[in-house]
Amino acid sequence: DAKTTQPPSMDCAEGRAANLPCNHSTISGNEYVYWYRQIHSQGPQYIIHGLKNNETNEMASLIITEDRKSSTLILPHATLRDTAVYYCIVRVAGYSGGGADGLTFGKGTHLIIQP
Amino acid sequence: SQTIHQWPATLVQPVGSPLSLECTVEGTSNPNLYWYRQAAGRGLQLLFYSVGIGQISSEVPQNLSASRPQDRQFILSSKKLLLSDSGFYLCAWSPPGLLRGETQYFGPGTRLLVL
Repeated sequence: DAKTTQPPSMDCAEGRAANLPCNHSTISGNEYVYWYRQIHSQGPQYIIHGLKNNETNEMASLIITEDRKSSTLILPHATLRDTAVYYCIVRVAGYSGGGADGLTFGKGTHLIIQP
Repeated sequence: SQTIHQWPATLVQPVGSPLSLECTVEGTSNPNLYWYRQAAGRGLQLLFYSVGIGQISSEVPQNLSASRPQDRQFILSSKKLLLSDSGFYLCAWSPPGLLRGETQYFGPGTRLLVL
């Protein structure tokens, strides 16, 4: 799977939009961009994923550049409960052969929401 | 909707004692199930995965074993714990069928401390 690069930490004011960048310049055509987050002492939480088009769900929006070499996760109205480490990963599109591939998180971005 | 449960939430065990951690999933049938370990300050390590009752695959040689006695129940065990078994144990599930590139959903985790 392609490698990703994220800033180690970011601050955002409560109520503002949090924009978390991710670089994945070696991404392949069949790799999705996934975002997870992990709040302290909890299990990782799936946020969103996408291939080429921008995606939006109840938690966040994912903006993928046209060349797919980078993406931005947007939390539109950040709250204190959004303070967490956010992981951007790229994973090959689904297929059933060869056994499972475990998720591999890098260091992620520690997002701190300030009151 | 689907939910995943793990217990206990926290466990302190002496070296050499046995271990049994339980994970159950609700709201889905025949899920793929996974056990991960997350050591302090380190990434996720996939330990076991299962595509069905009685079907267990191990990713790394270790002191632990896993079993799946029922469709939505996954158990992590050890006969004799080692100090190095300390960590944060996470159970995850994914929809049946694909084993790669699928979205995995995590439980709340069990924090194990071996003394």
